[in-house]
Amino acid sequence: ILNVEQSPQSLHVQEGDSTNFTCSFPSSNFYALHWYRWETAKSPEALFVMTLNGDEKKKGRISATLNTKEGYSYLYIKGSQPEDSATYLCAFAPYSGGGADGLTFGKGTHLIIQP
Amino acid sequence: NAGVTQTPKFRVLKTGQSMTLLCAQDMNHEYMYWYRQDPGMGLRLIHYSVGEGTTAKGEVPDGYNVSRLKKQNFLLGLESAAPSQTSVYFCASIRDDYQETQYFGPGTRLLVL
Repeated sequence: ILNVEQSPQSLHVQEGDSTNFTCSFPSSNFYALHWYRWETAKSPEALFVMTLNGDEKKKGRISATLNTKEGYSYLYIKGSQPEDSATYLCAFAPYSGGGADGLTFGKGTHLIIQP
Repeated sequence: NAGVTQTPKFRVLKTGQSMTLLCAQDMNHEYMYWYRQDPGMGLRLIHYSVGEGTTAKGEVPDGYNVSRLKKQNFLLGLESAAPSQTSVYFCASIRDDYQETQYFGPGTRLLVL
């Protein structure tokens, strides 16, 4: 079983502040790293798929970076808004004959934005 | 284009009863997955399929069976439900490569009494 860890488990941030959190994954056999945003009572929504070491992706106020050599990815949220409150999941895909064995998910970082 | 849909949305079973959860996708995706979500455990892979007629076990396959008779459908069966199978079940699909986006269904909430 692959070890994908996210920290912190939960985070309270004031509206308007910026924040970031971490996903750690195995540094060998890397194929892809996914980030999802998951609101309560909904299904996970894809944010980014990261595939290359040094990748940096951005979607509005949310961005992510990737370091495959050391096995970590950061997700950044700039100027947090109440609608950013959600659980943020990362998921790792190892290279395995095309990467078809499914994603291994971290347990998520639960982000609460306080007005 | 409905994406990934799941039927039913919610179900209550008694211990020992059987049921089938249906996942359907209209995106012509090759790979389909069943996950369960439990508090404190995150999302765990039950079974998956990399094409019509194929299935494989994931991390927590015991007590479940699956079938992929048609490319667009992936069925998850519980032959004899147990309280430990109370969970939220998510189906997901991806075109044919994990460097692409995975899409989730809305989830099925199952309560086994």
